[in-house]
Amino acid sequence: DAGITQSPRHKVTETGTPVTLRCHQTENHRYMYWYRQDPGHGLRLIHYSYGVKDTDKGEVSDGYSVSRSKTEDFLLTLESATSSQTSVYFCATQRETYNEQFFGPGTRLTVL
Amino acid sequence: AQKITQTQPGMFVQEKEAVTLDCTYDTSDPSYGLFWYKQPSSGEMIFLIYQGSYDQQNATEGRYSLNFQKARKSANLVISASQLGDSAMYFCAMREGAGANSKLTFGKGITLSVRP
Repeated sequence: DAGITQSPRHKVTETGTPVTLRCHQTENHRYMYWYRQDPGHGLRLIHYSYGVKDTDKGEVSDGYSVSRSKTEDFLLTLESATSSQTSVYFCATQRETYNEQFFGPGTRLTVL
Repeated sequence: AQKITQTQPGMFVQEKEAVTLDCTYDTSDPSYGLFWYKQPSSGEMIFLIYQGSYDQQNATEGRYSLNFQKARKSANLVISASQLGDSAMYFCAMREGAGANSKLTFGKGITLSVRP
C-alpha cells in the first residue's frame, strides 16, 4: 500500500459552502489524482497533479479546484458546493515509472 | 465513443467455478495499458492485474488472468476458482500514452456475486 489517507472520511455540508478534501501520501509518489465515483459512471477524473504546483484538469473539473504545495499533500476544493457534487471522492497516487495507481479509502461527501 | 465498455449486467457464479468479466476498449494510441480493479462492499479500490499493449503474453496474478485480444480490443478478466470474497464490483480501466498527461479512464463496472 502507498500509505494514502484521506480526510475527512465523511462529510455532510450545505449547498453554497466551501469544502476542502485532503489527500496525504507517505510514499513520495510523483503523480496524484482526484476521482469521483457515482452510480452508473464508474470513476471519473476530476484533477490530477504531476508534481508540486503542477496540476491539470480531468474529465469533470467544473466546480473543483486543486492545490499541491508539497509532494505528500493534494487538496481538492469545492468553492461553492452543489447537490450534484454529492459523491464518493477517491484520491490516488502513482510512482513515475510504474503503471499501477494506489487508491485512498475514499471520502463520502453529501451536499444538502 | 466510450473508451472503456463494460456492458454485462450483474454477474453470478457458483463458488469454485471460473468466471469471465468482459471489457472492451477503444483507442488509437499504440501504447496503452489495461487494468482491473476490485471494489468490495467496504469501498476500497484494489488493484488486481495489468496488461501492457506491447506485452506478448497474457497477464496473470494468482487466480486472476487477463484474456488480452488486441485485434478485438478486448481485455477480459478471468477469475478461476471463485471464492465468496470475490463478490464485489470490478472495474476495467485504460491508460493511453505515457508520462505526465497519461491518465486512467474507467469503465462503469460490473457487479459479481459468488454463490455458495
